[in-house]
Amino acid sequence: GAGVSQSPSNKVTEKGKDVELRCDPISGHTALYWYRQSLGQGLEFLIYFQGNSAPDKSGLPSDRFSAERTGGSVSTLTIQRTQQEDSAVYLCASSLPVYNEQFFGPGTRLTVL
Amino acid sequence: SQKIEQNSEALNIQEGKTATLTCNYTNYSPAYLQWYRQDPGRGPVFLLLIRENEKEKRKERLKVTFDTTLKQSLFHITASQPADSATYLCALEDGTASKLTFGTGTRLQVTL
Repeated sequence: GAGVSQSPSNKVTEKGKDVELRCDPISGHTALYWYRQSLGQGLEFLIYFQGNSAPDKSGLPSDRFSAERTGGSVSTLTIQRTQQEDSAVYLCASSLPVYNEQFFGPGTRLTVL
Repeated sequence: SQKIEQNSEALNIQEGKTATLTCNYTNYSPAYLQWYRQDPGRGPVFLLLIRENEKEKRKERLKVTFDTTLKQSLFHITASQPADSATYLCALEDGTASKLTFGTGTRLQVTL
């Protein structure tokens, strides 16, 4: 079946603009995660959705970052007033709730000029 | 919060040898631990999961051990091949049974 998809694959924006990144998880996966990976760095957790529960936003670095998950499926990560330090690869993953093997999308490479 | 250390940024070994990668953690012992492989420009891919009550897990040429006393997991690739060259990440359940905390990874390079 189809894996996790993300769009766009690349996004170049100017400092101060807003961007939206999209994630389509694997059908039936109730858990969805967003991570950020800077060049040569590990994965930085951003936000976690599980079913209809309130999302765990503990990893969001500032109030410029927000995310939604509509209908328990597609998720959008929004970064407002982008800064150069927001440049990174943004990865989305989905999983079933038990044991939590995560399936990752290919990522969106965000470049803020 | 959990701190994870993976033994080195890079590991170079010769084809056919066994690669051993280390993942050390502090604080609490996770209920389970996972290993992922990441190739350049791609998202991580799940390899193995090992639970706290399991000492060892195998899958083909891969073997993972989990020592909760030492707070350490070892990841072995036997008979390594150039195609095994990638970054390997360990990830620990964060105590909530719902999220993972990832290490920064070890880049493995297998040469002929």
